[in-house]
Amino acid sequence: QVQLVQSGAEVKKPGASVKVSCKASGYTFTGYYMHWVRQAPGQGLEWMGRINPNSGGTNYAQKFQGRVTMTRDTSISTAYMELSRLRSDDTAVYYCARDHGVVVAYYFDYWGQGTLVTVSS
Amino acid sequence: SYELTQPPSVSVSPGQTARITCSGDALPKQYAYWYQQKPGQAPVLVIYKDSERPSGIPERFSGSSSGTTVTLTISGVQAEDEADYYCQSADSSGTYPSVLFGGGTKLTVL
Repeated sequence: QVQLVQSGAEVKKPGASVKVSCKASGYTFTGYYMHWVRQAPGQGLEWMGRINPNSGGTNYAQKFQGRVTMTRDTSISTAYMELSRLRSDDTAVYYCARDHGVVVAYYFDYWGQGTLVTVSS
Repeated sequence: SYELTQPPSVSVSPGQTARITCSGDALPKQYAYWYQQKPGQAPVLVIYKDSERPSGIPERFSGSSSGTTVTLTISGVQAEDEADYYCQSADSSGTYPSVLFGGGTKLTVL
């Protein structure tokens, strides 16, 4: 069965960077785009961008351009999201979410369990 | 880019029908998707391509589309349906497609 298992909670200081991992299993990792979505406490869902695990190609939401980097390691079926220059309003749960389609469909059929990133001095 | 607008809250009694709307100018040209999110859990896809239901989702969940508004309908609401619901679509107006979410609707089962 498809599973996305994310790394554990992180506490970071303002200005630091955080790297969250998402290990995929149960399907061909390179066959489906991976997206990252975040959710601030008590707030809604916010799309951050996506990576093509086959080519490594990325597209980021304009809001995060210059601060986010999405990468992957196909040898271990793992996607990564790194966010730099953290601010307090980056405190959120970060989710990886698998795109539904073999051809990118821009909706999500499997989600990771979420990783809480807390930014605090 | 454009926005997706949802009512903040909807309340229904058990057994009644809940309707959650989502409005956006691009919805006549883009499919809508719906996710259910319970506290402390990741979202779950309940409707895709406006009205299709993934396997494992109860038949009481249905979706429809009319012009700039899509609607998630939950017939015979059960207590377990109490959750936040988010609509989602794609925005193709930029250099590459991006993903939009509505602000979410909290469904309360009275």
